[in-house]
Amino acid sequence: AQSVTQLDSQVPVFEEAPVELRCNYSSSVSVYLFWYVQYPNQGLQLLLKYLSGSTLVKGINGFEAEFNKSQTSFHLRKPSVHISDTAEYFCAVSEPGGYQKVTFGIGTKLQVIP
Amino acid sequence: EAGVTQSPTHLIKTRGQQVTLRCSPISGHTSVYWYQQALGLGLQFLLWYDEGEERNRGNFPPRFSGRQFPNYSSELNVNALELEDSALYLCASRKLQVTYEQYFGPGTRLTVT
Repeated sequence: AQSVTQLDSQVPVFEEAPVELRCNYSSSVSVYLFWYVQYPNQGLQLLLKYLSGSTLVKGINGFEAEFNKSQTSFHLRKPSVHISDTAEYFCAVSEPGGYQKVTFGIGTKLQVIP
Repeated sequence: EAGVTQSPTHLIKTRGQQVTLRCSPISGHTSVYWYQQALGLGLQFLLWYDEGEERNRGNFPPRFSGRQFPNYSSELNVNALELEDSALYLCASRKLQVTYEQYFGPGTRLTVT
């Protein structure tokens, strides 16, 4: 069975500083990986995804993530955060196959400090 | 293209009552997922419907049930409400066999008193 661990429940960071949100997964087969963002009082929105190919994935709003198979990680990074990046971020994993469900991590709250 | 819609946006119920939440997927999406987001617990997978059939179910008691209609919209029913059912219920849709991305609605906030 697949699982996702988000290592930090909350990450405070000053505006314009870099940030890394950590995500580790476990699965017995190859995986597809996702990062979603949830702004206050809204549903989730896809930031980026890794299905295959280049291990460095670029997403919306200046975010990127790197798939590391040996470390089973998919950490999310942004070189310079903005106040508007304050939100909760969810890492998710799915195994290939039509009826494989997506498993979400517990979420990391990013608080950008002015 | 219209996104995933959910109704109602907010709901207050009393312990023991029953509730029905509704979700309309993006046009052309056949799969609908339901999640519970309770405070501090992240997203907990509830149910997955595709082409009118239940494809997968999370670790929730049978009083959580649902269905999917021929137009792919879906209902989530919760019977015998308990205080711990208070949560944001999120619906997501997906175009199965085409993409693994799920598109989320804004959610229904359920408060049980």
